[in-house]
Amino acid sequence: NAGVTQTPKFQVLKTGQSMTLQCAQDMNHEYMSWYRQDPGMGLRLIHYSVGAGITDQGEVPNGYNVSRSTTEDFPLRLLSAAPSQTSVYFCASTRRDGRYTFGSGTRLTVV
Amino acid sequence: EDKVVQSPLSLVVHEGDTVTLNCSYEVTNFRSLLWYKQEKKAPTFLFMLTSSGIEKKSGRLSSILDKKELFSILNITATQTGDSAVYLCAVEITGGGNKLTFGTGTQLKVEL
Repeated sequence: NAGVTQTPKFQVLKTGQSMTLQCAQDMNHEYMSWYRQDPGMGLRLIHYSVGAGITDQGEVPNGYNVSRSTTEDFPLRLLSAAPSQTSVYFCASTRRDGRYTFGSGTRLTVV
Repeated sequence: EDKVVQSPLSLVVHEGDTVTLNCSYEVTNFRSLLWYKQEKKAPTFLFMLTSSGIEKKSGRLSSILDKKELFSILNITATQTGDSAVYLCAVEITGGGNKLTFGTGTQLKVEL
């Protein structure tokens, strides 16, 4: 099915570990973004990309890294996991009309 | 700082009721306002509004934008238990990446 695919769906990390959250879309969308969702805070933008090779920071970028080598893939790297990064992470993509398609999310727990 | 505020934070209604959800915003470089429905997982798109006063409708759901007063409402008529969800309002801004700024959402529960 066409859409945004995120892996893994669940992950538990120890403090200090690193990991990569994968995101892939097959809709040929230019724009891709990563959001985190915490209780009472809505979705907050971490990083975004307007095309292959172009990335920029969002509202809460600290502790995260991204790259966009292809149109399809936009991985999010946690460099050294901290308990404050416990959250649900959503990847999303769109052409240019703002109608984002969201992945099903990754629930990350850092202990 | 861009801000999107939704109200109420939560509400409980009975099947058949009509509900109105509110979204106000203060952003620079406004492009559009979007409504999403979030059940257990990913938010799903409902409406995108760019012009004031033009109602968008989809079945029992409708939405309208007021760009002068900087707010939008989402109406749901004849509510059903399947409408139970978190409704998210987001404002898209220009200036690189068409970024979305989200409100915290309204949790709607529809009881029998």
